[in-house]
Amino acid sequence: GQQVMQIPQYQHVQEGEDFTTYCNSSTTLSNIQWYKQRPGGHPVFLIQLVKSGEVKKQKRLTFQFGEAKKNSSLHITATQTTDVGTYFCAGPGAGGSQGNLIFGKGTKLSVKP
Amino acid sequence: NAGVTQTPKFQVLKTGQSMTLQCAQDMNHNSMYWYRQDPGMGLRLIYYSASEGTTDKGEVPNGYNVSRLNKREFSLRLESAAPSQTSVYFCASRGQGNTEAFFGQGTRLTVV
Repeated sequence: GQQVMQIPQYQHVQEGEDFTTYCNSSTTLSNIQWYKQRPGGHPVFLIQLVKSGEVKKQKRLTFQFGEAKKNSSLHITATQTTDVGTYFCAGPGAGGSQGNLIFGKGTKLSVKP
Repeated sequence: NAGVTQTPKFQVLKTGQSMTLQCAQDMNHNSMYWYRQDPGMGLRLIYYSASEGTTDKGEVPNGYNVSRLNKREFSLRLESAAPSQTSVYFCASRGQGNTEAFFGQGTRLTVV
């Protein structure tokens, strides 16, 4: 079945350092979404990428969708303690847009002040 | 708007007991989902419902049943709880098209 793999599983950084998490799919994706889950919280939607090679920015966060639409990345510049949490990528599974949503295992980010 | 509401927030069950986790959304979404989250395993799909009246198995459906009661409500039932079902359960919903998923606050279930 379709898989969405995410690396690394954990990342510990010093405040001010950059952070990147990578997402790879076994199949071509029509779109990819990114979510953030704060400790003890629930996943919250960050962004969706649809086009091949698309790059979107949200302040210090940069999201990329690969040319082949099988991989994606999230890069945070100059991390802050507020960035702590687990970042998930997610792609559509069977049934297209109304079917299931498959999540990667997430990258847990810790930031040392 | 309340968004996605899950009840209960916490639950402790004994092995073999049954219970139903409730989920309701007030966003008129077609699709609803149940995920479980375990350390290092990410979010694994248990069941989903693409529309009222339909349900489909996800990655880890064994030991669970679901009911899409109406467009708003999607419940998850554990008929005979096992310690392996100790987890955090999230309900989510999505509107038409490739839209974002909205998650409930989660239910922390412990089976002893």
